[in-house]
Amino acid sequence: QKEVEQNSGPLSVPEGAIASLNCTYSDRGSQSFFWYRQYSGKSPELIMSIYSNGDKEDGRFTAQLNKASQYVSLLIRDSQPSDSATYLCASRATGGGNKLTFGTGTQLKVEL
Amino acid sequence: SQTIHQWPATLVQPVGSPLSLECTVEGTSNPNLYWYRQAAGRGLQLLFYSVGIGQISSEVPQNLSASRPQDRQFILSSKKLLLSDSGFYLCAWSLAGDQPQHFGDGTRLSIL
Repeated sequence: QKEVEQNSGPLSVPEGAIASLNCTYSDRGSQSFFWYRQYSGKSPELIMSIYSNGDKEDGRFTAQLNKASQYVSLLIRDSQPSDSATYLCASRATGGGNKLTFGTGTQLKVEL
Repeated sequence: SQTIHQWPATLVQPVGSPLSLECTVEGTSNPNLYWYRQAAGRGLQLLFYSVGIGQISSEVPQNLSASRPQDRQFILSSKKLLLSDSGFYLCAWSLAGDQPQHFGDGTRLSIL
């Protein structure tokens, strides 16, 4: 079974620090990867999409992809208390339907 | 722009009662549609997905069913709810191809 693995955390970082969230995937055929943020009791919200090896930056967020190592990461610079949430990593599964395989998420806590 | 509506937001149902959750998407045509369930503290479990009207693929055998009577309408149903059906139900949509999924606000279902 194709899987996406994440450390459940919680990952605690001080306000203003860089938070580093990591994800590995088992499906070598996966070509597309997504990071979602989920606040407690709310639905997931798309933060970043990444399709090519390397880095992709959007504001305070940087997604990194290494297909050879089957590794995806999300860096959050200048972390704010409002970044405290669970971050879900997802890979697009091979096969039809544009299905995604989700990790169980990493809980991030940004402390004052 | 596209929007997704999901209702009701919360639902409390007795064991053995029927269920109908509805989801509609606006602002796009022929979207892929998805139903997920998220148990407390757990990851997202894909239940059903649909690539077109009347086309439903089931990912997990269970007492739930899905239907897509119109292009932008997706319905999750059950004839008799079980205690194990409790959870956070999420509808999502995506465009065809290598596109991310976007989630509705979800329905929190409690079975008594």
